[in-house]
Amino acid sequence: EPEVTQTPSHQVTQMGQEVILRCVPISNHLYFYWYRQILGQKVEFLFSFYNNEISEKSEIFDDQFSVERPDGSNFTLKIRSTKLEDSAMYFCASSQQGSSYNEQFFGPGTRLTVL
Amino acid sequence: GESVGLHLPTLSVQEGDNSIINCAYSNSASDYFIWYKQESGKGPQFIIDIRSNMDKRQGQRVTVLLNKTVKHLSLQIAATQPGDSAVYFCADAGNMLTFGGGTRLMVKP
Repeated sequence: EPEVTQTPSHQVTQMGQEVILRCVPISNHLYFYWYRQILGQKVEFLFSFYNNEISEKSEIFDDQFSVERPDGSNFTLKIRSTKLEDSAMYFCASSQQGSSYNEQFFGPGTRLTVL
Repeated sequence: GESVGLHLPTLSVQEGDNSIINCAYSNSASDYFIWYKQESGKGPQFIIDIRSNMDKRQGQRVTVLLNKTVKHLSLQIAATQPGDSAVYFCADAGNMLTFGGGTRLMVKP
């Protein structure tokens, strides 16, 4: 069964450093999403991505974040100048279509620890 | 602001019993909801969904009930098994998937 994959599973970084989180969505999916989950808290929407551009974003998604699709399959989330409060699980998800009725499939997440 | 929230943070049930997890939402315009299961170290996994034109939907061992009058959702799991132990989130699946705070289900053998 196709699945969303994410690497690394755990990233430890020093405050102020840049990190890149990677995601490989399901191959025939066209819509992509990133979420964040601070330990013990609910999953929070960061942004959605379609047709090589961000289609929607939350207030969490500020200039510290950037996203790229370096090739047709990989998808990266870059966090510049990380802060302690960026420590969280970051989930990538993808769906075939963008309507709210279309199931999003989540990856296993990357745990980011900022020291 | 609009929110999706859960009533209880932890639910402990005996294996074989039925589990009921509740969720309240505040946006009366919400028309589509999803329940997710999140096991330790994994991403959320779709369990079951319901649209606002329904008040009940059944899956395999799971049932979701929607009461639009009081803006309340529940997830019922029949014959709860140890593998059901996880955190369960309800989500308002509008333009942005908005998750509730999560209920941890613990199944006692």
